[in-house]
Amino acid sequence: ETGVTQTPRHLVMGMTNKKSLKCEQHLGHNAMYWYKQSAKKPLELMFVYNFKEQTENNSVPSRFSPECPNSSHLFLHLHTLQPEDSALYLCASSQGQGDTGELFFGEGSRLTVL
Amino acid sequence: GQNIDQPTEMTATEGAIVQINCTYQTSGFNGLFWYQQHAGEAPTFLSYNVLDGLEEKGRFSSFLSRSKGYSYLLLKELQMKDSASYLCAVRDGDYKLSFGAGTTVTVRA
Repeated sequence: ETGVTQTPRHLVMGMTNKKSLKCEQHLGHNAMYWYKQSAKKPLELMFVYNFKEQTENNSVPSRFSPECPNSSHLFLHLHTLQPEDSALYLCASSQGQGDTGELFFGEGSRLTVL
Repeated sequence: GQNIDQPTEMTATEGAIVQINCTYQTSGFNGLFWYQQHAGEAPTFLSYNVLDGLEEKGRFSSFLSRSKGYSYLLLKELQMKDSASYLCAVRDGDYKLSFGAGTTVTVRA
């Protein structure tokens, strides 16, 4: 139990579907992140939110749409995805300003796009 | 962009020692992390180095040389449960965390 919970753990969707990934952290942190993890590749930073404000969008295609309604919740809305978007999507949180930057990860949402 | 290199795979015997090297070239440096990730699980924090030298934590140690852009993670008295992927990550000048591709360690009986 890392204090960061992701749902669903597994998701299969067609290219025309719309779905959402949810992340919730119970650590009182102020920063939340979405990372993409593909086999044999480094974790790719997608989005960063600090105190609910988006501070990083790492050139992510618009078919991925993040939402951060408060410091404890983060969503990733998915629409018209491509098969190459199949990957493990990891949510993470950190304390925010002034900390070492240590990330606390959820267990990930395994996405398969058919 | 950031460049973080670590070996893809390593194999060792139970009870042995394994050293995982990580070299980095990043725009600025604000600390280096090692994470462990078992298959199907979340990456979990192992160590953090911001100053040169060795940090020891039980069976695991991590070393940093900022002038050489180099770190290693040392795993001693290997156990079967240490079979996992080990991720090197550098906090760069913009305080973003960039990751290497990970090293898969397999421990054999």
